Amino acid sequence: QVQLVESGGGLVNPGGSLRLSCAASGFTFSDYQMTWIRQAPGKGLEWVSYIRSSGSTMHYTDSVKDRFTISRDNAKNSLYLQMNSLRAEDTAVYYCARVISGSYSKYYYYYMDVWGKGTTVTVSS
Amino acid sequence: SYELIQPPSVSVSPGQTASITCSGDKLGNKYACWYQQKPGQSPVLIIYRDNVRPSGIPERFAGSNSGNTATLTISGTQAMDEADYYCQAWDSITVVFGGGTKLTVL
Repeated sequence: QVQLVESGGGLVNPGGSLRLSCAASGFTFSDYQMTWIRQAPGKGLEWVSYIRSSGSTMHYTDSVKDRFTISRDNAKNSLYLQMNSLRAEDTAVYYCARVISGSYSKYYYYYMDVWGKGTTVTVSS
Repeated sequence: SYELIQPPSVSVSPGQTASITCSGDKLGNKYACWYQQKPGQSPVLIIYRDNVRPSGIPERFAGSNSGNTATLTISGTQAMDEADYYCQAWDSITVVFGGGTKLTVL
C-alpha cells in the first residue's frame, strides 16, 4: 500500500543541524511532487517546503529559507530535509506528504493526498 | 502574503449539521481543500478541488467555495467527527493553510 515513513527527528541544540528522511513505498515516487509540512506543539499545520518530481524546482516558506534544504533521491524513493541553524521555533512534528497538483477548469489545484506519521524535532538546550 | 482565516472552534450536537468556514481574498478563484486531524494522528484529506471527496470519505462531508469563502459542511455529525479541520489553498508559489478549527460534538 501507499506509505510514507519519516525518520531522523530528535533533540538538537539551538544552532544545530538535523537531516530528516522520508521513505516512500507503494507508488512511483519519481512521478510525484513531494512536500514537508510541520506542526508545532498545540499549533496548526505549516507548509515548509516542496520539491518537484524531477528535483529541479524547490520552494520554501520564508522562515526557513537559507537554513533548510529539501532534496530527493528518486532511485532510492526518498525525500530529505536538511535543517541547519535550528531555532527553538523550529520545534515541531515534521510530516512528509505526497502532492497532487494540476490545472482544472481554469484554476490550479494543489493538495496532499498521502501523509506520513511524522517525526518529532525538538530544538532546545 | 495570502491568508486563510478559520474560526478557532465550532460546536455541534450529534446528528446536526456543522459548517466550518475558511475565508481568503478571492478564495473562490482558487481551489480549496480540507483535512481532518484527530489527536495524535496525521492529517487526512477529506475534500479536494472545493467539493470532491476522496475514496473512503463518508458522504456526510461536503465542500463548497464561492466569493471569499470556502465551507466544509458535515451533515448528520457523529461523535467520531470530533477533530481539528484545516483548509488549504495554493497561492502563487506557496501552500497556505488556515489556522484550523476544532470541531466539538456535544
